[in-house]
Amino acid sequence: GAVVSQHPSWVICKSGTSVKIECRSLDFQATTMFWYRQFPKQSLMLMATSNEGSKATYEQGVEKDKFLINHASLTLSTLTVTSAHPEDSSFYICSAREAGTPHWEQYFGPGTRLTVT
Amino acid sequence: AQKITQTQPGMFVQEKEAVTLDCTYDTSDPSYGLFWYKQPSSGEMIFLIYQGSYDQQNATEGRYSLNFQKARKSANLVISASQLGDSAMYFCAMRESGNDYKLSFGAGTTVTVRA
Repeated sequence: GAVVSQHPSWVICKSGTSVKIECRSLDFQATTMFWYRQFPKQSLMLMATSNEGSKATYEQGVEKDKFLINHASLTLSTLTVTSAHPEDSSFYICSAREAGTPHWEQYFGPGTRLTVT
Repeated sequence: AQKITQTQPGMFVQEKEAVTLDCTYDTSDPSYGLFWYKQPSSGEMIFLIYQGSYDQQNATEGRYSLNFQKARKSANLVISASQLGDSAMYFCAMRESGNDYKLSFGAGTTVTVRA
């Protein structure tokens, strides 16, 4: 199956700093990417959907100025958590799909664990 | 309103036995897809099985089968012959047509397989 990578796999940052998480599709063109957030032992909550070359569409309640998403190429999307605070500590997972493929084909990255101290 | 409901927070199952994980969904869209994912403690999401709303037969993938009861809006996952490696969190998810392929996830069920 198709492979999606995330970098870094875990990151610790100080409160007030920004951190960037990368999501890459390694062997397909990710026309659409999704960013999810997951707190311990909870469900995945969709944060935003990004289509290559377009602005991301954020879910209700997600601060677009805090969670900056860029999907500038068909293989890379980035999520930047700006001015991070301890409550932003979470597991961030991306997924990606390629236009024209069966709609059940959506591939998840391995996730990035963010800890804000 | 909750689109996907998983009412079992946690379950224990004996090795080699079968286990059924419940999932009910809510949608007025006639075209939708239902998914089950496994998330081990490492965190990666592993796709298990898919059922389309128009599929006539229940989906099966190896030891996984989906008991799709459309009128009841339920899509239970059955894992047969449980193995220790099946211990993980399991999520039911739904995609509705025309929503940009977004998935709505249930709360998840933690399965622990006992030797």
